Amino acid sequence: ETGVTQSPTHLIKTRGQQVTLRCSSQSGHNTVSWYQQALGQGPQFIFQYYREEENGRGNFPPRFSGLQFPNYSSELNVNALELDDSALYLCASSWSAQETQYFGPGTRLLVL
Amino acid sequence: KNEVEQSPQNLTAQEGEFITINCSYSVGISALHWLQQHPGGGIVSLFMLSSGKKKHGRLIATINIQEKHSSLHITASHPRDSAVYICAALNYGGSQGNLIFGKGTKLSVKP
Repeated sequence: ETGVTQSPTHLIKTRGQQVTLRCSSQSGHNTVSWYQQALGQGPQFIFQYYREEENGRGNFPPRFSGLQFPNYSSELNVNALELDDSALYLCASSWSAQETQYFGPGTRLLVL
Repeated sequence: KNEVEQSPQNLTAQEGEFITINCSYSVGISALHWLQQHPGGGIVSLFMLSSGKKKHGRLIATINIQEKHSSLHITASHPRDSAVYICAALNYGGSQGNLIFGKGTKLSVKP
C-alpha cells in the first residue's frame, strides 16, 4: 500500500504565473483535501474533493481551483500567482470526510 | 480569536520529562486530530478522537467534549519527539468535513 505522494517537492514561480500541483491519494481513498501552510502558521483548508466533485471550500479566491480524477488523484491549480501564495501546500487523503486524513509530504512553492 | 487555540506555542524539555500540550476549540466538532510535523514539512496523524482517551506507545491524547478541550501527553520524552505538534478540529456537517488547525506547538527535547 503506497502512501500519499505529491509533486513537485519544490517550485519557484514569478508573480502572475500559473502553477499546478499534483497529489496521488493513498490506495482506496476517495476523498482528497488541500491545505495551504504559510511559514510559522497552521495549515488552512483550501478545498476538498470527494469522488471527483468539490465537497467543501475554505476562504480562498476562485483563482485557486482543483480537480479530482477517476483514480482519485488530484490537482491544485493557482492562477495569477501572488507573493502571498508562497507556502507549503499539503494534500491529505481519507476514506471519507469523517475519517482520519493521511498527509503527503507537501509541495513548497515560492513566488518571486 | 482563532477557532482552535494551542498552548504553549513553544516548549523546551529535558529528556525523560512528562510533556503536556493543550488545545481548546470554539467550533462544533465531530472529532479532533493530533498531528506531528517534522522540519521537512511532512505531517503524520497521531490520533483522531471524539471522546475519552487514546494511547499509543508513549503518547496519550484526551478530550473533554463538554469543556471543548483536548490534551496531548508525552511520557518519558526523547529528543526524537522534537517536532511541531498540531491539533486540528474536524468540522463535519452533511457530507463535508474539513480540518481547522491550531498554529502548533514547537517541542524541543534536549538530551
